Amino acid sequence: DQQVKQNSPSLSVQEGRISILNCDYTNSMFDYFLWYKKYPAEGPTFLISISSIKDKNEDGRFTVFLNKSAKHLSLHIVPSQPGDSAVYFCAATPGTASKLTFGTGTRLQVTL
Amino acid sequence: DARVTQTPRHKVTEMGQEVTMRCQPILGHNTVFWYRQTMMQGLELLAYFRNRAPLDDSGMPKDRFSAEMPDATLATLKIQPSEPRDSAVYFCASGPGWGAKNIQYFGAGTRLSVL
Repeated sequence: DQQVKQNSPSLSVQEGRISILNCDYTNSMFDYFLWYKKYPAEGPTFLISISSIKDKNEDGRFTVFLNKSAKHLSLHIVPSQPGDSAVYFCAATPGTASKLTFGTGTRLQVTL
Repeated sequence: DARVTQTPRHKVTEMGQEVTMRCQPILGHNTVFWYRQTMMQGLELLAYFRNRAPLDDSGMPKDRFSAEMPDATLATLKIQPSEPRDSAVYFCASGPGWGAKNIQYFGAGTRLSVL
């Protein structure tokens, strides 16, 4: 039972364009969401997060949008760079509990 | 530069053998997590600890897997006996265990191959 779903296993985007990665969740108790980035042979690293009291959070080229009614969040990367090529995991947690539930990941390839 | 350290980075073993993976969390972090990465399930939580006490190991096959924290600087994940289906990358992560951010810091992982 996948409570956090990333339905696109892969995405290819040209350098300079916008990358949009999507994530859906089913558990209404989730109220804090995170994105992690993972390069090959490395562990995931935290990228950006958003609380359910917000609908947008921005950090440089990265913006996360949250649509609570649709139980959907998205990560926008603008402009995309070759170094952004990695696997991106969406994760969710119910409040201050430490346990994160991860999606299956989306592999982003940014082409020249 | 504080980081989570996992050993070994790679392990190849034969079916039936015992496997022990080790993790040194970031100093001062009081929550430790073990994950397994597979193609189909993504990052699955196997077990986690707070202040060295196990809080949730529901993701772990109890008959062959065990997780412990002998002290605050060491977490172990054991598989006995190992099976080919256990082949995966196992990650350890630690977190400060406070505040709303719930950010976890991951080690580089142990790639396990069971032949």
